[in-house]
Amino acid sequence: SAVISQKPSRDICQRGTSLTIQCQVDSQVTMMFWYRQQPGQSLTLIATANQGSEATYESGFVIDKFPISRPNLTFSTLTVSNMSPEDSSIYLCSVLHSNEKLFFGSGTQLSVL
Amino acid sequence: GDSVTQMEGPVTLSEEACLTINCTYTATGYPSLFWYVQYPGEGLQLLLKATKADDKGSNKGFEATYRKETTSFHLEKGSVQVSDSAVYFCALSATDSWGKLQFGAGTQVVVTP
Repeated sequence: SAVISQKPSRDICQRGTSLTIQCQVDSQVTMMFWYRQQPGQSLTLIATANQGSEATYESGFVIDKFPISRPNLTFSTLTVSNMSPEDSSIYLCSVLHSNEKLFFGSGTQLSVL
Repeated sequence: GDSVTQMEGPVTLSEEACLTINCTYTATGYPSLFWYVQYPGEGLQLLLKATKADDKGSNKGFEATYRKETTSFHLEKGSVQVSDSAVYFCALSATDSWGKLQFGAGTQVVVTP
């Protein structure tokens, strides 16, 4: 299995500011993803974090709003930029392990005032 | 596009009762199907999966069979425990899109003593 450390676990932020969420995995993984879980809703894929190149975004998500970095095979960051209350969600990092299982971090609960 | 529909919750059961959570999907090709569980205060965990028609996934007393003819992947457990109280998510991964999951809305299950 893969152990995923995600930081911060929660934060309360002011409108208009940005927050960077970190995801660290205890082993090298090929694929890393970022998901969002809005209050009372299911999980939605934001983007695939590609090592050494630009992330691949799903429909409805753009790089200017959710810039992603992946400098190596064990680490990625997601930034939520210019936040508004609508960005209040749980953001989850996930990784695809070599056994083809998808593991999730414990999530970052973001509240925007 | 691909989608997953699962029964709404909350589902409230007494201990030792039978549990069934319905899940149906719409997808092109031959998706892989998953059940994830989110226990209170914890991250999302893979419960079971099935990658082709008629496969049965099983774990912790839970079972689900991939039924292509009815495009379903219903989750069942014969005798639930209080510790099974959680939110259960049905999900699919399209062919050649490992890690990019389409989730259902989630079903909260509450088991009372």
